[in-house]
Amino acid sequence: GQQLNQSPQSMFIQEGEDVSMNCTSSSIFNTWLWYKQDPGEGPVLLIALYKAGELTSNGRLTAQFGITRKDSFLNISASIPSDVGIYFCAGQTPGSSNTGKLIFGQGTTLQVKP
Amino acid sequence: DAGVTQSPTHLIKTRGQQVTLRCSPKSGHDTVSWYQQALGQGPQFIFQYYEEEERQRGNFPDRFSGHQFPNYSSELNVNALLLGDSALYLCASLPRGLSNEKLFFGSGTQLSVL
Repeated sequence: GQQLNQSPQSMFIQEGEDVSMNCTSSSIFNTWLWYKQDPGEGPVLLIALYKAGELTSNGRLTAQFGITRKDSFLNISASIPSDVGIYFCAGQTPGSSNTGKLIFGQGTTLQVKP
Repeated sequence: DAGVTQSPTHLIKTRGQQVTLRCSPKSGHDTVSWYQQALGQGPQFIFQYYEEEERQRGNFPDRFSGHQFPNYSSELNVNALLLGDSALYLCASLPRGLSNEKLFFGSGTQLSVL
């Protein structure tokens, strides 16, 4: 089945540092999404990307939809302790836009040292 | 406005048993999707229900079944439990016809199979 490869698997950084993570796929997606999941909670949407090449920001978060439509990255600038959590990329294949079906990466666990 | 509510929050079963998990969608949402999230992995799509029927299905065996009620709430049933069924089960709701980035996730039911 379709898979998303997300890297790195985990990161341990100092407060104030910038963070970058990415996802690659063997298939084309028409939407890329980035989520954050805190312990004991479900994923919460951070950023949605809809067009190849699109660059979108949400506060200190910036994400891009790769021009090949097979990859995406997420950057977090000036990290703070509350950025701690697991970040997931998710993709939506053409034709599945309202099916409830997303394909998720394996997640990047972020730890921030004050 | 309550979001997606799931019950129970935690559950312990033994191999071979059957389990039923419950989900109430966010107010105004009429479709429900279920995901399985194994430890250290991203969520995997099980199926979507709307109009009380299964509409989309992921790569899960027939031991996984569901139901949707007229009030849009849903149940996930798993028969003949295996150790590998231990996971966080997430329910997500979406107004029918809207794109998947509008999916709203619950906090999940943590199932442990011993």
